[in-house]
Amino acid sequence: EADIYQTPRYLVIGTGKKITLECSQTMGHDKMYWYQQDPGMELHLIHYSYGVNSTEKGDLSSESTVSRIRTEHFPLTLESARPSHTSQYLCASSVGGMSPTDTQYFGPGTRLTVL
Amino acid sequence: GQNIDQPTEMTATEGAIVQINCTYQTSGFNGLFWYQQHAGEAPTFLSYNVLDGLEEKGRFSSFLSRSKGYSYLLLKELQMKDSASYLCAVRGVNDYKLSFGAGTTVTVRA
Repeated sequence: EADIYQTPRYLVIGTGKKITLECSQTMGHDKMYWYQQDPGMELHLIHYSYGVNSTEKGDLSSESTVSRIRTEHFPLTLESARPSHTSQYLCASSVGGMSPTDTQYFGPGTRLTVL
Repeated sequence: GQNIDQPTEMTATEGAIVQINCTYQTSGFNGLFWYQQHAGEAPTFLSYNVLDGLEEKGRFSSFLSRSKGYSYLLLKELQMKDSASYLCAVRGVNDYKLSFGAGTTVTVRA
């Protein structure tokens, strides 16, 4: 079981603010992911990273950006938040490498509300 | 891409058995995962299938048929704490990314 942390758990902010959602894992996993999930809907991959200095956009277009300067840290930033960004954001990590299952383990999520 | 279908809701009685089906149409397949997600919480890993057949883990079992693009999660001896959403996810071949279904909400009644 991975130890993966997200802060804040809940965030209510006004339109136009810059925000950073934090995600950290202590398992030394190479791969990390950001998903967006609306109530009753599927998880959509918005960003992923296969290691330090590696970031890729996911299947769902997002106005957010990510960085991967350290293995354990994968923050997501919104330069100017809008009400359409209101959602739950889930961070995940997996060991990567030659692992046959490469199971993804999820953090507790950040529920973002933009007014 | 991946197209993953699973029922929206199911209701069952405590102590009973429930089977959650998942069908998928994919451009490549490299494993199928089942996750449990309680309301407001993170998904937690339940099972993984990459070869055809049944994988059993205590009260939970998962089955895969690659030729039919079909999987099911079987929950036995249902308990109230099993009330949750169950997510089916398929992994692609080249990029190892997961594509998720919308989830099946299971409600266990006393």
